[in-house]
Amino acid sequence: EVQLVESGGGVVRPGGSLRLSCAASGFTFDDYGMSWVRQAPGKGLEWVSSINWKGDITSYADSVKGPFTISRDNAKNSLYLQMNSLRAEDTALYYCAREDTMIRAYDYWGQGTLVTVSS
Amino acid sequence: DIQMTQSPSSLSASVRDRVTITCRASQSIGSYLNWYQQKAGKAPKLLIYAASSLQRGVPSRFSGSGSGTDFTLTISSLQPEDIATYYCQQSYSSPQTFGQGTKVEIK
Repeated sequence: EVQLVESGGGVVRPGGSLRLSCAASGFTFDDYGMSWVRQAPGKGLEWVSSINWKGDITSYADSVKGPFTISRDNAKNSLYLQMNSLRAEDTALYYCAREDTMIRAYDYWGQGTLVTVSS
Repeated sequence: DIQMTQSPSSLSASVRDRVTITCRASQSIGSYLNWYQQKAGKAPKLLIYAASSLQRGVPSRFSGSGSGTDFTLTISSLQPEDIATYYCQQSYSSPQTFGQGTKVEIK
């Protein structure tokens, strides 16, 4: 059974940092690209960042380019999102999602980890 | 960036009604259009990929159609368990963008 379990969320002051993790199981992790998608409270879905299977190709939404860094450790079946210079607008539930590159869709999602940026 | 616009933003229908949600892209995206269902407090779930292909395990009352800029998600016979918000998403180009969502309720 495919499982994606996010962790690392919490409350942080503006300008602070957090590192999110996503532990994957139930599939061959390095066969898939992975992404982070966020959802602000009561709002819609927003793509944040993606990384290819090997970890050498990354992409970011303009809103997070620079402060956020996506990475992965295929030996640990884990995906990460380092978030620096956090702003109130980054407050959201952050989902880890597996991308099936054959169909170009997110076929599995974690349950999300909540990031709250507040003073 | 490609803008995705869904309509309506919300709808109320009776059980067994046929429900249609539309999604329009700001430029042609071929068939690179996916539909997701998100129930309250849950993660999104893939329903339809490549505009019209049903994801494994998704009930056949869900169907998708369209290409280019105009797409449709249809629920042929609305069931109580279909209460959710539905999102379209284009995977034609980066950044991948989502529609604003359509909330489906039971009348």
